[in-house]
Amino acid sequence: DAGVTQSPTHLIKTRGQQVTLRCSPKSGHDTVSWYQQALGQGPQFIFQYYEEEERQRGNFPDRFSGHQFPNYSSELNVNALLLGDSALYLCASSRSPTSTNEKLFFGSGTQLSVL
Amino acid sequence: AQSVTQPDIHITVSEGASLELRCNYSYGATPYLFWYVQSPGQGLQLLLKYFSGDTLVQGIKGFEAEFKRSQSSFNLRKPSVHWSDAAEYFCAVDAANQAGTALIFGKGTTLSVSS
Repeated sequence: DAGVTQSPTHLIKTRGQQVTLRCSPKSGHDTVSWYQQALGQGPQFIFQYYEEEERQRGNFPDRFSGHQFPNYSSELNVNALLLGDSALYLCASSRSPTSTNEKLFFGSGTQLSVL
Repeated sequence: AQSVTQPDIHITVSEGASLELRCNYSYGATPYLFWYVQSPGQGLQLLLKYFSGDTLVQGIKGFEAEFKRSQSSFNLRKPSVHWSDAAEYFCAVDAANQAGTALIFGKGTTLSVSS
């Protein structure tokens, strides 16, 4: 049973460009959350998708957007990249967004470097 | 606003010695608390969680944590550290008390294990 898979593993972009990161949740999971982890910091919650809608959002600008597909996979899009967007982007999945007994399963992340 | 503080950036422990990693949180109500571990190049793995009930929580890999409301703390402990425990450890609080899908993480503590 595959866990959470993310692609690509590494990505290099230049300032002003746009990037799309992809995530496939663990089998049986329908909720996907995205986190940004800057170097030397803990992960920061970006947003969560459930039933193809954004359900919760952290303190990130509108340049960060997402999408969830009918098969529960998700994309994270970042427009007008800034140097400060360089980070490890983690995807996490769970069986539902509100069950207190569920836990998050994290992927290994996509390392984004903005030059 | 909710926040998590991990006072120790880096800790070195001898193999076989005991370990305690500190975590303090700021949250108005009874929080949902978590400890995660991250090995290099890997995603986050849940060690244990506290939602309610017994304040001493047992987790995987021989870890335990104690919730102390009076001290706003949720310290992680292990009686005997193994070299494979060397990793980054993150304490987190659930911002919405909804199953830990929108987590606020501390900045992490790096654990090194010496022989």
